[in-house]
Amino acid sequence: EAQVTQNPRYLITVTGKKLTVTCSQNMNHEYMSWYRQDPGLGLRQIYYSMNVEVTDKGDVPEGYKVSRKEKRNFPLILESPSPNQTSLYFCASSLYNTGELFFGEGSRLTVL
Amino acid sequence: GEDVEQSLFLSVREGDSSVINCTYTDSSSTYLYWYKQEPGAGLQLLTYIFSNMDMKQDQRLTVLLNKKDKHLSLRIADTQTGDSAIYFCAASGGSYIPTFGRGTSLIVHP
Repeated sequence: EAQVTQNPRYLITVTGKKLTVTCSQNMNHEYMSWYRQDPGLGLRQIYYSMNVEVTDKGDVPEGYKVSRKEKRNFPLILESPSPNQTSLYFCASSLYNTGELFFGEGSRLTVL
Repeated sequence: GEDVEQSLFLSVREGDSSVINCTYTDSSSTYLYWYKQEPGAGLQLLTYIFSNMDMKQDQRLTVLLNKKDKHLSLRIADTQTGDSAIYFCAASGGSYIPTFGRGTSLIVHP
């Protein structure tokens, strides 16, 4: 089944404790992206990647890192999480960076 | 850059038609999309329209595009409670990277 898989789905952590949210897709998509969703603000893009070893900042990249060492994986790294990074995070992928994005089910992160 | 605007809430009665509106700013936008997010889930592509089209119909869904006014709408006929969700408008141009609106929460009541 074609899908985008994120882990963990839920996480509660404390300020400053490094964490990684994994994202994997099995559709051989070149384009992958991370978004955060906050009430009243909609979806905001954090980082995106056009292909392996190619990553670019989105609209809200501060406090986040990403890597794209393999085509299928695009982890999101929070080196030192802060409470303002409490949010719902979505990973998405698409073929040939079209707008037809496939989304994961989301990872709800709470930073205390 | 591209800016996509849509109202935050829409409430309709079951059986009525719903119309969700969206405006965008970049006249070079090539693809315009509607995504649906059901509670507790990720977004799913509902439908899309190319900028050289005025209208697209798919069963209960009708998408209208007014390119001159940069206005996109999604009409859902015979709205059901299962249509309750957040609907996101998105636009993409030459880079194909979509810009999303803030989402419209559609509430369907009996």
